[in-house]
Amino acid sequence: GDSVTQMEGPVTLSEEAFLTINCTYTATGYPSLFWYVQYPGEGLQLLLKATKADDKGSNKGFEATYRKETTSFHLEKGSVQVSDSAVYFCALSPVTGGGNKLTFGTGTQLKVEL
Amino acid sequence: GAGVSQSPSNKVTEKGKDVELRCDPISGHTALYWYRQSLGQGLEFLIYFQGNSAPDKSGLPSDRFSAERTGGSVSTLTIQRTQQEDSAVYLCASSRGGQGQETQYFGPGTRLLVL
Repeated sequence: GDSVTQMEGPVTLSEEAFLTINCTYTATGYPSLFWYVQYPGEGLQLLLKATKADDKGSNKGFEATYRKETTSFHLEKGSVQVSDSAVYFCALSPVTGGGNKLTFGTGTQLKVEL
Repeated sequence: GAGVSQSPSNKVTEKGKDVELRCDPISGHTALYWYRQSLGQGLEFLIYFQGNSAPDKSGLPSDRFSAERTGGSVSTLTIQRTQQEDSAVYLCASSRGGQGQETQYFGPGTRLLVL
């Protein structure tokens, strides 16, 4: 079945540091890929997505590129802020069949310090 | 516009009792999903409704769990004879359609504690 593997946390960075959170997936065909973020005390919200190979999703300074050859969708940000402290979830959904149900990774907690 | 809403926000119950969790999706969204977020299992899919089609119940963990969606809008997730391992945050999401690339919008969740 489909699965998503993302790097273990927690990740602690200083403000303005470069961020990479690795995400790889296993799926048949060409799934859509998502990064969701959960800020402390809040619900899940979409951060960015990509629906086909080589697409780059971007939002709020975060980027991720859909790499079919490496089955990866790593999240990056050039300069993190304290306000980016949250839990980040990588997820996929199949293109056809199975509806749009999301398969999530385990989540990576990010803590950004001054 | 209004987002996905869920009620109650918190629910404490005793083992063996039944509970009902409610979800109001975004108006006009035809697809509705239930997920569960727990410490041990992470985020898991439970059930999916799309329009008038039969629901995809493939993620329900046992026959104690059921869900219905009335009139293509509001959904209720029912857990019968609750067990302590049912303690989790239950999340509802909706999307405009059921295609894989559609964005799902999540509600704030219902935190369930079974004593």
